[in-house]
Amino acid sequence: GIQVEQSPPDLILQEGANSTLRCNFSDSVNNLQWFHQNPWGQLINLFYIPSGTKQNGRLSATTVATERYSLLYISSSQTTDSGVYFCALEGGSEKLVFGKGTKLTVNP
Amino acid sequence: EPEVTQTPSHQVTQMGQEVILRCVPISNHLYFYWYRQILGQKVEFLVSFYNNEISEKSEIFDDQFSVERPDGSNFTLKIRSTKLEDSAMYFCASSVDSNQPQHFGDGTRLSIL
Repeated sequence: GIQVEQSPPDLILQEGANSTLRCNFSDSVNNLQWFHQNPWGQLINLFYIPSGTKQNGRLSATTVATERYSLLYISSSQTTDSGVYFCALEGGSEKLVFGKGTKLTVNP
Repeated sequence: EPEVTQTPSHQVTQMGQEVILRCVPISNHLYFYWYRQILGQKVEFLVSFYNNEISEKSEIFDDQFSVERPDGSNFTLKIRSTKLEDSAMYFCASSVDSNQPQHFGDGTRLSIL
């Protein structure tokens, strides 16, 4: 099945810093989503981005499907950005395959 | 914005008991899913459901698990005889079509004692 690798596994930032999270995948995808899992365990849908670039406030994402990677950019990070960021993909089937996530800690 | 709702938010059950987790997907969505996340691990697919039948399931989804859409709005996951290793967060999701974004509920935290 499709493989998903996220990097880095852990990231610690000072408030106000920028960061880039990466998701590499092994096969072509029909669906790619980025999620933020907050400290209460909720999975917040950030982007649906099987290709191209999208922006939402301080967050943006780019997927280069031909090179099999996606990037999530967080600018001017805030303490509320802390949590785990998951990349999840749908290849030839209906299921989303999740990466192991990047745990982000933003310190005040 | 419409959302997927799950109940209960937390369920504590004795090992060997049956448990039913409930979900109300977004009303115009046609595809429904269950995922689980063991504490500290990644989210894993359990089962997808379309047109009143299972369309795909993982190796985790063994004979102890079943899903049902008993009416036009609810989607349930039943675990027949719970084991300690069933302790996890269970997420329900729905999508309007396959290859469209899946929308997740807030999850049910299942604790087996």
